[in-house]
Amino acid sequence: EAGVAQSPRYKIIEKRQSVAFWCNPISGHATLYWYQQILGQGPKLLIQFQNNGVVDDSQLPKDRFSAERLKGVDSTLKIQPAKLEDSAVYLCASSFGGLQPQHFGDGTRLSIL
Amino acid sequence: DQQVKQNSPSLSVQEGRISILNCDYTNSMFDYFLWYKKYPAEGPTFLISISSIKDKNEDGRFTVFLNKSAKHLSLHIVPSQPGDSAVYFCAAKSGISSGSARQLTFGSGTQLTVLP
Repeated sequence: EAGVAQSPRYKIIEKRQSVAFWCNPISGHATLYWYQQILGQGPKLLIQFQNNGVVDDSQLPKDRFSAERLKGVDSTLKIQPAKLEDSAVYLCASSFGGLQPQHFGDGTRLSIL
Repeated sequence: DQQVKQNSPSLSVQEGRISILNCDYTNSMFDYFLWYKKYPAEGPTFLISISSIKDKNEDGRFTVFLNKSAKHLSLHIVPSQPGDSAVYFCAAKSGISSGSARQLTFGSGTQLTVLP
């Protein structure tokens, strides 16, 4: 079974620029999650999708972050404009939902200069 | 407000001995707990889970213990192997009745180093 695919693996941008991350979940997983992991902390949920609908985006900074999952499969997360404090690893995860464990991709490491 | 706390940032254990990783939580609505393992430059990998209706769950060398009254859980690895060296995250889910989307709340992780 192919795992969760994320790209790019690394991204370096200057503050106030924009950036986008892409995620392809495990086939058949209806639930998709985006997490932000700052160095020394655990992953923090940004947004959760069930198919192509948003279930929880309470911790997404909506003034600069946006995410979509148009066809209920792939998803993109965008930051515009980026701030220094957005430097983190952005993890995508997917699951069948409920109590099924989430499977994580390897993440995108974002550095803001 | 950290609802899931892993107070030990690091732990070193000799190969073959027991590793005990601890986790405390404050939210009494949490009813499902998981441990994830993370190697450098990789995403977290699910290790083991436990429901709040149980106090122990075992899978091979890994056992998770839950003490609901103390709001404490621990992960035991016996025997520890050098390949177990990784960051271990404790995570918790709240129940459907709380109105949440059952999101995972993670602790800050414990770096386990198993010395050969």
